[in-house]
Amino acid sequence: NAGVTQTPKFQVLKTGQSMTLQCAQDMNHNSMYWYRQDPGMGLRLIYYSASEGTTDKGEVPNGYNVSRLNKREFSLRLESAAPSQTSVYFCASTLRGGNYEQYFGPGTRLTVT
Amino acid sequence: AQSVTQLDSQVPVFEEAPVELRCNYSSSVSVYLFWYVQYPNQGLQLLLKYLSGSTLVESINGFEAEFNKSQTSFHLRKPSVHISDTAEYFCAVQNSGYSTLTFGKGTMLLVSP
Repeated sequence: NAGVTQTPKFQVLKTGQSMTLQCAQDMNHNSMYWYRQDPGMGLRLIYYSASEGTTDKGEVPNGYNVSRLNKREFSLRLESAAPSQTSVYFCASTLRGGNYEQYFGPGTRLTVT
Repeated sequence: AQSVTQLDSQVPVFEEAPVELRCNYSSSVSVYLFWYVQYPNQGLQLLLKYLSGSTLVESINGFEAEFNKSQTSFHLRKPSVHISDTAEYFCAVQNSGYSTLTFGKGTMLLVSP
């Protein structure tokens, strides 16, 4: 049982390049989330998927797109990376969209130059 | 909309001393409250949560938090800290009936010998 996995662990992009961050969970969770973490800002929600087939914007969705590929996988895409998107990205999942614990992946450290 | 305020960005403390990390929230509806811990270069892990019932909740490693509805607070305490407690601690709130968390900006607990 690997929990929540994220790939890649590290990535360096040039401004304007695109990339997709991958997230998968093997806990049969319904809901999945993408956050970004910046120093002094805590975690901010980018997008989430309350259940397979649905996605919704969070607090900071601009510049990102998501795909809930199936129940296990939830990807985050940067179409045209900007230096402001330099951050650590965390994926999380929870059994349902109610009051259950969110389980976090190890994170992807992204630098945009 | 809900919000979380962690009043201290950094709390230095000596080993075996008591510590309190403060968290206040605002919400117009019933809430669930969480404390997460993040060790260096890792994802977040749930430390403890308040969903309902007893207002005092405890973790397995000696932390406790008390839900105070009148003061809209959920402060985290430990009577005697260890070096291994050095980490960043995040308070989070979830409105009942919703599936998303709002995080505070985090408090870095620095335990020195």
